[in-house]
Amino acid sequence: IQLTQSPSSLSASVGDRVTITCRASQGISISLTWYQQKPGKAPKLLIYGASTLESGVPPRFSGSGSGTDFTLTIAGLQPEDFATYYCQQLESYPRTFGQGTKLEIK
Amino acid sequence: QVQLEESGPGLVKPSETLSLTCSVSGGSVSSGTYCWSWIRQSPGKGLEWIGFSYYSGGTNYNPSLMSRVTISVDTSKNRFSLKLTSVTAADTAVYYCAREGGHRYGLDVWGQGTTVTVSS
Repeated sequence: IQLTQSPSSLSASVGDRVTITCRASQGISISLTWYQQKPGKAPKLLIYGASTLESGVPPRFSGSGSGTDFTLTIAGLQPEDFATYYCQQLESYPRTFGQGTKLEIK
Repeated sequence: QVQLEESGPGLVKPSETLSLTCSVSGGSVSSGTYCWSWIRQSPGKGLEWIGFSYYSGGTNYNPSLMSRVTISVDTSKNRFSLKLTSVTAADTAVYYCAREGGHRYGLDVWGQGTTVTVSS
């Protein structure tokens, strides 16, 4: 299953609301997760089951979608949110990731 | 809380075998509910899922690597391992071990990653 994220990169300002999209090449129910990765660090799980916030993740992060179309929204960007975001599907094997969306400061 | 830590050689020669270990602390690798996983990231690139093993020995691998990869769990030492044979420069990457909670839960615990360079 191929995952296509859009946009590939995004410039935004602190306080902005941003949305990242992940589209699957076939239906994956809600078996989708979102990760945040900062340079030199391992990815960090943000959202699982398409919309469930991982423990400890700020509520400004939210996820939605099912089937083939999913979104990650960050409401009120904070300086620490500038990073690269990946989606991953766990509906079938092999597990696959989107190509990533790099969120940069405007 | 569960923590993972990768270890192994940072430099491997072409055609040789890459061997990495992931030590698990704060929890047991024998938990039947988790998939003990390996993921890699080539320089400047995205994430590639390599595969996983259950503690019972059941495995699932990425077809692109299946002929060269083995993932195993050592319950006596509370760790799991990755072996990748016949490596080339294309296998140069940061290798992460991680715990997957199943198809609804994702990779919730990650190691810090270890860089492996394939070069003579």
